[in-house]
Formats: sequence, C-alpha cells, structure tokens
Amino acid sequence: AQSVTQLGSHVSVSEGALVLLRCNYSSSVPPYLFWYVQYPNQGLQLLLKYTTGATLVKGINGFEAEFKKSETSFHLTKPSAHMSDAAEYFCAVSASNNDMRFGAGTRLTVKP
Amino acid sequence: KAGVTQTPRYLIKTRGQQVTLSCSPISGHRSVSWYQQTPGQGLQFLFEYFSETQRNKGNFPGRFSGRQFSNSRSEMNVSTLELGDSALYLCASSLPEGSIGPTQYFGPGTRLTVL
Repeated sequence: AQSVTQLGSHVSVSEGALVLLRCNYSSSVPPYLFWYVQYPNQGLQLLLKYTTGATLVKGINGFEAEFKKSETSFHLTKPSAHMSDAAEYFCAVSASNNDMRFGAGTRLTVKP
Repeated sequence: KAGVTQTPRYLIKTRGQQVTLSCSPISGHRSVSWYQQTPGQGLQFLFEYFSETQRNKGNFPGRFSGRQFSNSRSEMNVSTLELGDSALYLCASSLPEGSIGPTQYFGPGTRLTVL
C-alpha cells in the first residue's frame, strides 16, 4: 500500500522568497506522484505529475518538483513566491490506476 | 474540452434526509472517483467507478453509495444524513485504462451542509 506524508501543515513565506513544500511517499512499487493546489471553495487543480523519465518535473505557475527515489521524496518548489500562490497544496501518490492517496495538505501563506 | 462538472454546488439538508450528487466527467474519461473532504479528516476516498462498475471502495459506511451510467456520468447518494456528513464532496475523472500515469482531474465540488 502506498502513502504520503507532507511535512508541515502550514508554511509561511514572504513574497519573492523561495517556496519549498515537502512530501515523502511510501510505495511498494514504482509510484506515480502528483501535486495539486486547492483554492478556497474550489476543487483540486493539477500542478504537476511524475510518471516516468526525467526526475525534475515542471508544472504550471512556475512550480517544479524533483523525484528522489533514494530519499522517497517529491518536494515542490518555486523560486519566487507570489501572493496568488497562497492556497492549500496536496501531494498524492498512486501505484495503480486510480488508487490515489493524498497527503494531509500544506497551507501556504504568502506575506507581502 | 469542458472540465469535470458537479451539481449542485451547494446543498443544505437536515439529519435523516438523503441526498444525491451528480458528476459529469471530462469527455472521453471513463473512470470517476469520489472523495469526501473535511477539515478534520482531509481528503478521503469514497469509491471509484469504471465502465459502470465499482472498482475500488474506501472505508465508508453503506449509507454512501454510487453508480455510473453508460455515458460515464456518475452519481453518489448518501442516505440517512448525519451531521458529520457535512463536507465538500469532490469528483474526479481520469483517462481510460492503459494510459501512462493515472491522472485525476477534479471538479469544483459540492458543498453539503447537514443541519
């Protein structure tokens, strides 16, 4: 069975600062990994995904994540935070079609 | 392509009533999954349907049920509502079998409030 742990339920950064949201996974088979973002009272929007191939994955809105098998990590980064990045972010893992497990989420606050 | 749509967006019910939520997947997507999201429990998987068959089921009581129609649209039903059923219910659709890397696309959700 696979699972995801997101380190830090709340992260606060200043506008223009680096964003780093941490995600560690557990999976008995090669995983598919995802990051989603959720704005208040909305559904989840896919930011990026790792399936196979290049371990550095680029997503929308300037976000990227790196799959590190040795560390079982898939941390999300953005070089420069913008006020519009304030939202909740979810890491998810799937080892087979649609058996997707989500982390508890990290709420990102961006200070002006 | 139009995204995943869910109706209604907001719903208020009283304890003991039942409710039906609807989800229309992205055109061509045959798998539909349902999730319950609450502040305390986070995102919890309810069930997944593919080609009108339930393939996976989460750990929810039998009051929660669903179905999928031949056009891939899905409904979920909650009977005998309890206060704890108040939540955002999210539907997600994904590409057909054999796609590389299952990716779920979410609708905006239905906010259910049970009074």
